[in-house]
Amino acid sequence: AQSVAQPEDQVNVAEGNPLTVKCTYSVSGNPYLFWYVQYPNRGLQFLLKYITGDNLVKGSYGFEAEFNKSQTSFHLKKPSALVSDSALYFCAVRDGAGNNRKLIWGLGTSLAVNP
Amino acid sequence: NAGVTQTPKFQVLKTGQSMTLQCAQDMNHEYMSWYRQDPGMGLRLIHYSVGAGITDQGEVPNGYNVSRSTTEDFPLRLLSAAPSQTSVYFCASSNAGGRYNEQFFGPGTRLTVL
Repeated sequence: AQSVAQPEDQVNVAEGNPLTVKCTYSVSGNPYLFWYVQYPNRGLQFLLKYITGDNLVKGSYGFEAEFNKSQTSFHLKKPSALVSDSALYFCAVRDGAGNNRKLIWGLGTSLAVNP
Repeated sequence: NAGVTQTPKFQVLKTGQSMTLQCAQDMNHEYMSWYRQDPGMGLRLIHYSVGAGITDQGEVPNGYNVSRSTTEDFPLRLLSAAPSQTSVYFCASSNAGGRYNEQFFGPGTRLTVL
């Protein structure tokens, strides 16, 4: 069955430190992977995606994510966190097998960056 | 471009009332969808549409209807509101190519059913 797991409900990091928000997935075909961010009282915004090619994907606001096929993971990273990065982060996957267009969403990880 | 717009931003209903949440996009996107967001449950797909005149159910469709008469608009109707439908509702769209493309989200409608 298709699924996405974000194992941490909350991540706390000090400003200036590197951050990682974890995501693992399970699909039957090739995965199409996405990260979105939600600031308080706002809609979700697209950060980055992996479709094919280079395993390291760079996105908006200095974020990047690494696709690891053997570990079925797509962790979101940033070298130096900002207080303004504090938000809710969602990982999502679409199964490349067949004609399935539905996104499977993780439950979200709340990132708190402390000054 | 305005992107994806949703109205109203906030709404309070009494149990049994009906209403329509409006969603419009000006990006000529074929794919549109409605989600609800509840604490601890992430995003759940209610209904979606792959083009004008075509709609399908998501994972939590009961109590909701949709139609897609134009590419731009995708309204969500609550037939008889229940307290369990208290939630934040998001509309999203993406262009043709679907599987590869990111979704653009509206700002959301916060609905409370008393």
